[in-house]
Amino acid sequence: QSALTQPASVSGSPGQSITISCTGTSSDVGGYNLVSWYQQPPGKAPKLLMYEVTKRPSGVSNRFSGSKSGNTASLTISGLQAEDEADYYCCSYAGTSTSWVFGGGTKLTVL
Amino acid sequence: EVRLAQSGAEVKKPGDSLKISCKGSGYSVNSYWIGWVRQMPGKGLEWMGIIYPDDSDTRYSPSFQGQVTISADKSTTTAYLQWSSLKASDTAIYYCARRFTGRWYFDLWGRGTLVTVSS
Repeated sequence: QSALTQPASVSGSPGQSITISCTGTSSDVGGYNLVSWYQQPPGKAPKLLMYEVTKRPSGVSNRFSGSKSGNTASLTISGLQAEDEADYYCCSYAGTSTSWVFGGGTKLTVL
Repeated sequence: EVRLAQSGAEVKKPGDSLKISCKGSGYSVNSYWIGWVRQMPGKGLEWMGIIYPDDSDTRYSPSFQGQVTISADKSTTTAYLQWSSLKASDTAIYYCARRFTGRWYFDLWGRGTLVTVSS
């Protein structure tokens, strides 16, 4: 099972919006509405940011939103803040034999 | 406090065996699975496998099947990840993460255990 494809890096200025894509196949992203996103600040553990494509856990800012079209899921961060600088990973359920697959990660730089 | 407490950093030699742990507390552990995720130096997250501590039902990523063993002790609400013969390429941070039964995401993560394998 190959990793989901994410851009290696994205950047934006404070207050701007950015979108991170996550491309898989019909066996993972396209086959289930079970994409989740994780934020990993430098030197820290990942933290759940989004689940089931569009749902935010309690405590996560509404500046974060998720969507999916076909085999590609996306995470949008609006009103960029310096504290958003981190690595972001998508993850999809991929069926009983593989179970889960992560994306390669995207480094967000806030300029 | 709801947490996953992972064991401390390890430095091992190639060929050594190792077992690291992840103890859940502050929540009803019989409703949750515990997964393991590898992060090699400067690289991304890789899902390794998952266990349901209540009955030790275990699933492995095809990439890690046969390379590691995942186990659990229900009485101590602890999950384990073990190697019988470490390689230098096993050097990584290993995270445990919680998944609620019937949900398909990991809502709580441990701080990670750094495993360094070097001669």
